[in-house]
Amino acid sequence: NAGVMQNPRHLVRRRGQEARLRCSPMKGHSHVYWYRQLPEEGLKFMVYLQKENIIDESGMPKERFSAEFPKEGPSILRIQQVVRGDSAAYFCASSPQRHTDTQYFGPGTRLTVL
Amino acid sequence: SQQGEEDPQALSIQEGENATMNCSYKTSINNLQWYRQNSGRGLVHLILIRSNEREKHSGRLRVTLDTSKKSSSLLITASRAADTASYFCATDQGGSEKLVFGKGTKLTVNP
Repeated sequence: NAGVMQNPRHLVRRRGQEARLRCSPMKGHSHVYWYRQLPEEGLKFMVYLQKENIIDESGMPKERFSAEFPKEGPSILRIQQVVRGDSAAYFCASSPQRHTDTQYFGPGTRLTVL
Repeated sequence: SQQGEEDPQALSIQEGENATMNCSYKTSINNLQWYRQNSGRGLVHLILIRSNEREKHSGRLRVTLDTSKKSSSLLITASRAADTASYFCATDQGGSEKLVFGKGTKLTVNP
């Protein structure tokens, strides 16, 4: 059973460009979580999605950031007009159902904004 | 404010020694989890302890939880060079879906 997949693993963008990060949850998992990790910091929650629904986006910046988890295909975290402060590692996690204890993390996407 | 705070921030020991890391949190929780992150990699789930448990073991790992002090400790016995990584505690803030992480303890095990 493949784990959580994220791509790309590394992404370089210039200021003002768009970044699209993809996450495929583990097979059978319909709940996806996105976290951001700044250098030398812990992970910070961004958004929690279930298929076709955003359940909790309390950690998402109000502008430029959006997330979706369509009925078919991976979850997408989209950052428009990137700035240098967006440089970070973005991790996706999945779980099989709501209110389960363990979230399974992907390898992350490292975004560098030049 | 930060929910989980680990200490020490960095720990360097020799192979074979035990490593103890601590985590403090602020709000009520249903469970507390420990994760490991190797440099530049994703997170690996190590162990989960529920709020009604006081101690849990898994291989060379021992986790304790003191809800009255809102603190937890992770003990790695007979450490190996391969244990070198950052260790994070994460809490669920009383049943919330989102995990709240501390800044981690960076463990170096010298061969």
